[in-house]
Amino acid sequence: NAGVTQTPKFQVLKTGQSMTLQCAQDMNHEYMSWYRQDPGMGLRLIHYSVGAGITDQGEVPNGYNVSRSTTEDFPLRLLSAAPSQTSVYFCATVISSGSSYNEQFFGPGTRLTVL
Amino acid sequence: KNEVEQSPQNLTAQEGEFITINCSYSVGISALHWLQQHPGGGIVSLFMLSSGKKKHGRLIATINIQEKHSSLHITASHPRDSAVYICAVSLYSGGGADGLTFGKGTHLIIQP
Repeated sequence: NAGVTQTPKFQVLKTGQSMTLQCAQDMNHEYMSWYRQDPGMGLRLIHYSVGAGITDQGEVPNGYNVSRSTTEDFPLRLLSAAPSQTSVYFCATVISSGSSYNEQFFGPGTRLTVL
Repeated sequence: KNEVEQSPQNLTAQEGEFITINCSYSVGISALHWLQQHPGGGIVSLFMLSSGKKKHGRLIATINIQEKHSSLHITASHPRDSAVYICAVSLYSGGGADGLTFGKGTHLIIQP
């Protein structure tokens, strides 16, 4: 059981390039989220999904796109990278709301630098 | 918009001391989470609280819904407790299925 995996661990992009950050989970959790973490700020929600085929915007969605075609995968796409998107990105899952114990599970993070 | 404030931002203590980290929030929530982030970045969930108190080993978390305040306590602190402790709240669903709102974290250093 690998939990939540993210690839790549590190990435350097040039301004204007596009890329996809991968997130996968093998726990059959319905709910998945993407956060970014910047120095001096708390983690901020980018997008989230409550199940396959359903996504919604969080606090800072501009410049990012998501899709959820399967329960296992929740990729985050940067459409045209900007230096302001330099950050550490975390994917997280949570057991469905039917559980009495709704623990958050975080991936190891992807450190992205945009030049 | 819910604001989540943590105090202190930084805390250095000696091994064995009793540690308290505080978290306050501005609007009603469905649950509050305490998370731990070690150097190197991994984030681990410690507690989820909607009322009362929870204990796990040397860690104790309490919440006062009326006062919109939570505390995380560490008893008999140890250098391995050195980490960033993060408070987060979920507004609509207990587990934060629609995402969490985070505090900026408390950087704790326990010196031997």
